[in-house]
Amino acid sequence: DTGVSQDPRHKITKRGQNVTFRCDPISEHNRLYWYRQTLGQGPEFLTYFQNEAQLEKSRLLSDRFSAERPKGSFSTLEIQRTEQGDSAMYLCASSLGWGAEETQYFGPGTRLLVL
Amino acid sequence: DQQVKQNSPSLSVQEGRISILNCDYTNSMFDYFLWYKKYPAEGPTFLISISSIKDKNEDGRFTVFLNKSAKHLSLHIVPSQPGDSAVYFCAASADSGGSNYKLTFGKGTLLTVNP
Repeated sequence: DTGVSQDPRHKITKRGQNVTFRCDPISEHNRLYWYRQTLGQGPEFLTYFQNEAQLEKSRLLSDRFSAERPKGSFSTLEIQRTEQGDSAMYLCASSLGWGAEETQYFGPGTRLLVL
Repeated sequence: DQQVKQNSPSLSVQEGRISILNCDYTNSMFDYFLWYKKYPAEGPTFLISISSIKDKNEDGRFTVFLNKSAKHLSLHIVPSQPGDSAVYFCAASADSGGSNYKLTFGKGTLLTVNP
């Protein structure tokens, strides 16, 4: 069990550029989540997938953000036309969700800095 | 509107003593609660959880207590060790169609355990 992995770990970009992050969940976990964490705050829910279906998106996820999980395995989160306010840690988590209680396991995160 | 509140930004204790971290919530629909530990530049690591049907859950040095009437939970660490120094996040979720998924986090408490 290698845990949740994320790539890249750090990304510096200029305002207006597009960026894409990748998340590889724990194998056989059917649920995958994206969260965003800014300085001094706890992680905030962005979106979640059950297998390949995106089942909920937070209102924090503007139309510049898009997430995919093709074939129900890895996931990508793309931010188009980045803004300085997008600077944050983007966290991915996965879980084996079949019941009412499930534990989400987090990856190391991708820290984005928009200049 | 903060639905999960950790009112102490920081806590300092001596090695060997008890650490008590507190968390309050406002949403009465929350029925599953988790504690995560986070080191700098890493993702949150799951510590312990509790369902709303219980009032206590214990795992080694970690015990979580839940007081539903007060909408309050606490994490006890006994004995505290220097390696426990980290930011601790309280998180909660509500049952949605038989499964919990979206976690709502507090802002975290920085625990420092002094040798």
